[in-house]
Amino acid sequence: AQKVTQAQTEISVVEKEDVTLDCVYETRDTTYYLFWYKQPPSGELVFLIRRNSFDEQNEISGRYSWNFQKSTSSFNFTITASQVVDSAVYFCALSEWANNLFFGTGTRLTVIP
Amino acid sequence: EAGVTQFPSHSVIEKGQTVTLRCDPISGHDNLYWYRRVMGKEIKFLLHFVKESKQDESGMPNNRFLAERTGGTYSTLKVQPAELEDSGVYFCASSHLRGGTGQETQYFGPGTRLLVL
Repeated sequence: AQKVTQAQTEISVVEKEDVTLDCVYETRDTTYYLFWYKQPPSGELVFLIRRNSFDEQNEISGRYSWNFQKSTSSFNFTITASQVVDSAVYFCALSEWANNLFFGTGTRLTVIP
Repeated sequence: EAGVTQFPSHSVIEKGQTVTLRCDPISGHDNLYWYRRVMGKEIKFLLHFVKESKQDESGMPNNRFLAERTGGTYSTLKVQPAELEDSGVYFCASSHLRGGTGQETQYFGPGTRLLVL
């Protein structure tokens, strides 16, 4: 069965600190996709990244980076030099052949100025 | 390009009443999805349209929920009669590629916050 676990319910960091949000997934499919979404206080879900199961290269986009490790079924998200605008709920999600997304319960990040 | 829009943004109704939520996907997106987040829990899939056809409605909780997508454009989700446990945030998402590959990225709307009293 598919499952996404975000063990960290809430994290608080002081501005400019680095923070890593953990995501562990379970799937029996060999082809699958992993996603991260950001939900700012305004409520919408903002797409951040999509990775497929065949591409384990880490990705960096500005202050954001993602570490995909199939050996540990993890897809962790790191924010470097955090800013107040990074405060949000972050969701990790998995899709298999059926396209619908399976979400984790989200991690609420608060960046303190 | 306009994103996914949802209406209303908030709805407060009494148990037993009917509520209809609307979603307008990104123009040209064939795939439309409904999800729901009950407070404190994960966002859960409800159903998936490809154009006007229901591709997968395995997540619909019961027959009090009715989704339609007439003409393959906007979609409505009706809850009748509403129960207390239906409270939550209802998200709509759309994507461009045809389903079946899991490749496409789903773009979400801001959600409708439903409170059933």
